[in-house]
Amino acid sequence: GQNIDQPTEMTATEGAIVQINCTYQTSGFNGLFWYQQHAGEAPTFLSYNVLDGLEEKGRFSSFLSRSKGYSYLLLKELQMKDSASYLCAATNYGGSQGNLIFGKGTKLSVKP
Amino acid sequence: NAGVMQNPRHLVRRRGQEARLRCSPMKGHSHVYWYRQLPEEGLKFMVYLQKENIIDESGMPKERFSAEFPKEGPSILRIQQVVRGDSAAYFCASSPTSGSMDEQYFGPGTRLTVT
Repeated sequence: GQNIDQPTEMTATEGAIVQINCTYQTSGFNGLFWYQQHAGEAPTFLSYNVLDGLEEKGRFSSFLSRSKGYSYLLLKELQMKDSASYLCAATNYGGSQGNLIFGKGTKLSVKP
Repeated sequence: NAGVMQNPRHLVRRRGQEARLRCSPMKGHSHVYWYRQLPEEGLKFMVYLQKENIIDESGMPKERFSAEFPKEGPSILRIQQVVRGDSAAYFCASSPTSGSMDEQYFGPGTRLTVT
């Protein structure tokens, strides 16, 4: 089957660090994406992991463990503008290499 | 370089009418994907197209929905005889190559409301 699980909501304080977890099961896997989506706006790309390990990009880092079907997004030095939904998406071969399977998103609220 | 463009941004239709949603991919991108997002739900894949070809339509409802990406012009998602359950945000994304290896760039979405 195909399934992406991530927490529905999280709350954190400005300046803190938060980790958003994602577990996945797909029929064919070739990478894990994280997107940020502010309310009423389009998702914007944050990161892509295809190999095990940690990818760091500024305040955001993403980790992947293919054997465990697990990823996380780490946000450091949280800012109020980081309040958004964070979408975990895995590639699914199915009949093509094109479609992404998205989780329902984790709504992050950053408090002062 | 303009991003992915979608129009209209908001569309209101009465039950039974047709809805046409348009998507112009980023310049140089030949792969287009359509996703639907219901309130409080994740993005659901609908269809993946290249110019003049439907590559994967495994997420498309079997009836009333169709998509095309002609040689010239935007990609069109067409919903015939809309029902209230079709109310959602429809996002288009594009990529220069197959999306499994490349990030997909999303448009601003079309919010369809069926009354």
